[in-house]
Amino acid sequence: KQEVTQIPAALSVPEGENLVLNCSFTDSAIYNLQWFRQDPGKGLTSLLLIQSSQREQTSGRLNASLDKSSGRSTLYIAASQPGDSATYLCAVFTGANSKLTFGKGITLSVRP
Amino acid sequence: DGGITQSPKYLFRKEGQNVTLSCEQNLNHDAMYWYRQDPGQGLRLIYYSQIVNDFQKGDIAEGYSVSREKKESFPLTVTSAQKNPTAFYLCASSQAGYYNEQFFGPGTRLTVL
Repeated sequence: KQEVTQIPAALSVPEGENLVLNCSFTDSAIYNLQWFRQDPGKGLTSLLLIQSSQREQTSGRLNASLDKSSGRSTLYIAASQPGDSATYLCAVFTGANSKLTFGKGITLSVRP
Repeated sequence: DGGITQSPKYLFRKEGQNVTLSCEQNLNHDAMYWYRQDPGQGLRLIYYSQIVNDFQKGDIAEGYSVSREKKESFPLTVTSAQKNPTAFYLCASSQAGYYNEQFFGPGTRLTVL
């Protein structure tokens, strides 16, 4: 059974820091991995999708890497801003039941 | 403007009532999904549909029902058999296949009174 872990559950950093959010998964047989952002009381916004054959994806200040063999992904946020404060979730797609398996998320607070 | 809409945003249900949550997409996606989100837990899949007139149970389908009569619509009914329905419900869609990105709607918060 696929399990996705995100540690720590919460993170507080000062504005301007470069930071790394970690995600680990137990079954390396994945098709893709997605990183999402969720603001309080809102739906999920897709940030980056990495296919199993890819090593990384970039969008603006965000860079996500994937090491499928070790079951790890990282989301790198450059020059963090207060507007980056949100919960960040990673999810893996294994094809079983066509579902994404989600981690519980990391709640990020960027202090001005 | 393409996207996924969910209605209502907030829904209150009395014990013993069935309620239906709406999900509509204009992205021309074949696959649609319903997830449930509870505090401190990851999202869990309730039902999914990869094509019109076909749908499959997810991990926590008991007490829920769905229909897929149109490509753009995938309503979820929360029945009185669902023991603990208070949660945040999220609808998603994607192109069919294993390599496609899932997009989510804004969610419906259901509260049982």
